[in-house]
Amino acid sequence: AQSVTQPDIHITVSEGASLELRCNYSYGATPYLFWYVQSPGQGLQLLLKYFSGDTLVQGIKGFEAEFKRSQSSFNLRKPSVHWSDAAEDFCAVNRGGGADGLTFGKGTHLIIQP
Amino acid sequence: NAGVTQTPKFQVLKTGQSMTLQCAQDMNHNSMYWYRQDPGMGLRLIYYSASEGTTDKGEVPNGYNVSRLNKREFSLRLESAAPSQTSVYFCASRGASGGREQFFGPGTRLTVL
Repeated sequence: AQSVTQPDIHITVSEGASLELRCNYSYGATPYLFWYVQSPGQGLQLLLKYFSGDTLVQGIKGFEAEFKRSQSSFNLRKPSVHWSDAAEDFCAVNRGGGADGLTFGKGTHLIIQP
Repeated sequence: NAGVTQTPKFQVLKTGQSMTLQCAQDMNHNSMYWYRQDPGMGLRLIYYSASEGTTDKGEVPNGYNVSRLNKREFSLRLESAAPSQTSVYFCASRGASGGREQFFGPGTRLTVL
């Protein structure tokens, strides 16, 4: 069965510093990959997605992610974080195998230090 | 467009009580989903509906039932609530575009005492 691993439960970054959040997936075919962000008490907002084409994808709020098939990874990056980026970030992959829906990682809590 | 709306926002139940969580979308999407979010667990799929009149189980369907009332509405019912169902419940919908991204509602925070 497909799975998503986000190895970092918490990450603390200074404002203005660069960021990389890790995501590894297990999936038999070419996956549909997503990063969602959740601000406290809110629903989930799509940051970016990959399903084909260029392996470096751009998203909202200055985020980007790179799909690396050989490493089964889809890491999220941002060159310079802002205090408003503090949130919970989730990586997700489509369930596949004829089953609809997404499988989510457990999330990474992003803390921004002033 | 309101997107995906959920009611209620908060609910407290006693063990054994029943309730229905409501979800509606105004994006003309075919597919709709119910997830639950628990601390440290991410989101887990409860049920989904690929089209009006069809529903399928997700990862954690036990203790829940769903109804796809029409294309817009997808409800989740707890027949006999248990403390283990204390969670935040999210509804989502998806159109037929190639990217398969889902759009999420604001969530319902449910506490079962």
